Amino acid sequence: QKEVEQNSGPLSVPEGAIASLNCTYSDRVSQSFFWYRQYSGKSPELIMSIYSNGDKEDGRFTAQLNKASQYVSLLIRDSQPSDSATYLCAVKPDDKIIFGKGTRLHILP
Amino acid sequence: EPEVTQTPSHQVTQMGQEVILRCVPISNHLYFYWYRQILGQKVEFLVSFYNNEISEKSEIFDDQFSVERPDGSNFTLKIRSTKLEDSAMYFCASRRDREGGYTFGSGTRLTVV
Repeated sequence: QKEVEQNSGPLSVPEGAIASLNCTYSDRVSQSFFWYRQYSGKSPELIMSIYSNGDKEDGRFTAQLNKASQYVSLLIRDSQPSDSATYLCAVKPDDKIIFGKGTRLHILP
Repeated sequence: EPEVTQTPSHQVTQMGQEVILRCVPISNHLYFYWYRQILGQKVEFLVSFYNNEISEKSEIFDDQFSVERPDGSNFTLKIRSTKLEDSAMYFCASRRDREGGYTFGSGTRLTVV
């Protein structure tokens, strides 16, 4: 069974601080990893993709991948109230992507 | 920015009725998907479609479900005889190549009564 595990939260972070979201996955063959943001009642929106070990930065977002530990993380710097959402970790072991249940992030003004 | 378009945004149907959910993927995308999300639960894979045929389907995608790309632009999901447990948000997604991330449509909320 291919699984993607995330802490469901909520994770509360003060405005302006760094939010750290974590994800582990079970399938070692996965080569592509994604972070999606989902606002309540809306569709998932791709914010980061990462394919190799290490860090990848895009604006306020940094994705980190450690394939040996089967671990993916997302850092959000200078958190804003608009970052309050559910963050979905997704992995791609084959043609499809598999989602975790998501972590609810709440940015405190 | 190119979008994946889904219609209708909300559909209410009686149990046992057939529904067709419609999607227009991004025009240069080659891989198409349907996912669903039951309220409060995770986004679940239903089916993938490439080169005019199903490439993979999940256990959820039983004989009551079918997909079609009738005219080169639309991509449809049909549920033949809806059940109460089919109530969910249904998302269409597409991507251009095998390695890219998916772009999701805004979803169709299906309510079976």
